[in-house]
Amino acid sequence: ETGVTQTPRHLVMGMTNKKSLKCEQHLGHNAMYWYKQSAKKPLELMFVYNFKEQTENNSVPSRFSPECPNSSHLFLHLHTLQPEDSALYLCASSRPGVMHTEAFFGQGTRLTVV
Amino acid sequence: GIQVEQSPPDLILQEGANSTLRCNFSDSVNNLQWFHQNPWGQLINLFYIPSGTKQNGRLSATTVATERYSLLYISSSQTTDSGVYFCAVESRDKVIFGPGTSLSVIP
Repeated sequence: ETGVTQTPRHLVMGMTNKKSLKCEQHLGHNAMYWYKQSAKKPLELMFVYNFKEQTENNSVPSRFSPECPNSSHLFLHLHTLQPEDSALYLCASSRPGVMHTEAFFGQGTRLTVV
Repeated sequence: GIQVEQSPPDLILQEGANSTLRCNFSDSVNNLQWFHQNPWGQLINLFYIPSGTKQNGRLSATTVATERYSLLYISSSQTTDSGVYFCAVESRDKVIFGPGTSLSVIP
């Protein structure tokens, strides 16, 4: 148990669906991140939030929309996804700061787009 | 940008054997972490080690930042050590993960 919880663990959605991934951390961290892990590719950083403000968006398509209502919760809203968006989506958190410090990851949401 | 390489890409060990995993990076880094991704996909933080040596049970890690590499040692391997081991570096405000070493420990 890392202190970072993601739900759901598995998600299958159609290309016209709208769904959301949720991440919650109980570590007192103020920085949260979304990562994407596709098959046979390195982990890719998608979004960074520091103190609820988005500080990094690594050229992620607009069909992925993050939301950080408070320092403990992070969402990734999904709409009109493509099959190539199928991947493991990982949330992480770390201590405050502009740059990453020691990061702790959730269990991930395995997303399949059909 | 910075390149991160890991070796070997795949490793099969007999239970009880020792191993060394390597992470090379092409530029100076501010931070470095080692993670273990279990077969269910979860990334577990092993070491936060921008420099020096740390030990935690059967695992230890050494980072020589001036020579741009880090090593992860696994001693007396167990089947539960199976999975993918990633190093991640932070350089110039970017975090880059290596491609990973896939480890299989067989009984």
